[in-house]
Amino acid sequence: DTAVSQTPKYLVTQMGNDKSIKCEQNLGHDTMYWYKQDSKKFLKIMFSYNNKELIINETVPNRFSPKSPDKAHLNLHINSLELGDSAVYFCASSYGPTASYNSPLHFGNGTRLTVT
Amino acid sequence: DAKTTQPTSMDCAEGRAANLPCNHSTISGNEYVYWYRQIHSQGPQYIIHGLKNNETNEMASLIITEDRKSSTLILPHATLRDTAVYYCIVRALDGGSQGNLIFGKGTKLSVKP
Repeated sequence: DTAVSQTPKYLVTQMGNDKSIKCEQNLGHDTMYWYKQDSKKFLKIMFSYNNKELIINETVPNRFSPKSPDKAHLNLHINSLELGDSAVYFCASSYGPTASYNSPLHFGNGTRLTVT
Repeated sequence: DAKTTQPTSMDCAEGRAANLPCNHSTISGNEYVYWYRQIHSQGPQYIIHGLKNNETNEMASLIITEDRKSSTLILPHATLRDTAVYYCIVRALDGGSQGNLIFGKGTKLSVKP
């Protein structure tokens, strides 16, 4: 059983489109995250979220928005896609609000987004 | 920005111990040292973490210096499947953004037959 699963694995779309990436975790965690890995392989946090607090990396454009229907899911919506949005997006989850329980993050295997 | 410094790359012979160093000279008292690795085309995988005592689990050992300014991840018997980028990360106990994992460039470990 996959602990943190993302769909789709690959996503190819054109500039200007709106797309969503889904993430689900079955670990019972209450905090979820989105990370972006660019072409240079740098992993950067975009959001961390639990049912009380959304923390947004200030460098993330407001075209990106996380949506959480319940604590097992954190979907990523992207509006008006741009070429520079092409990257691999990783979802992750952990216990506790960010770090106060010192819980390791568990990552999904990523969604490779290509914007043409 | 990442608060750690690691060598860009390292090689290790299969079956030998792989010792991956990490400098974190500005680490604070409430920050743990975490190690993750990323095998090609996969998500980062948690390996181990520690505060000041040495730690060991089924994957690796973590040796933290007494002053906590550096640490070493030890893979006791490296296999070809251990080839990956290894990230050393310091992470605060406090809530908020300080608890987020901030990845640096990591060390690309190549295990060779």
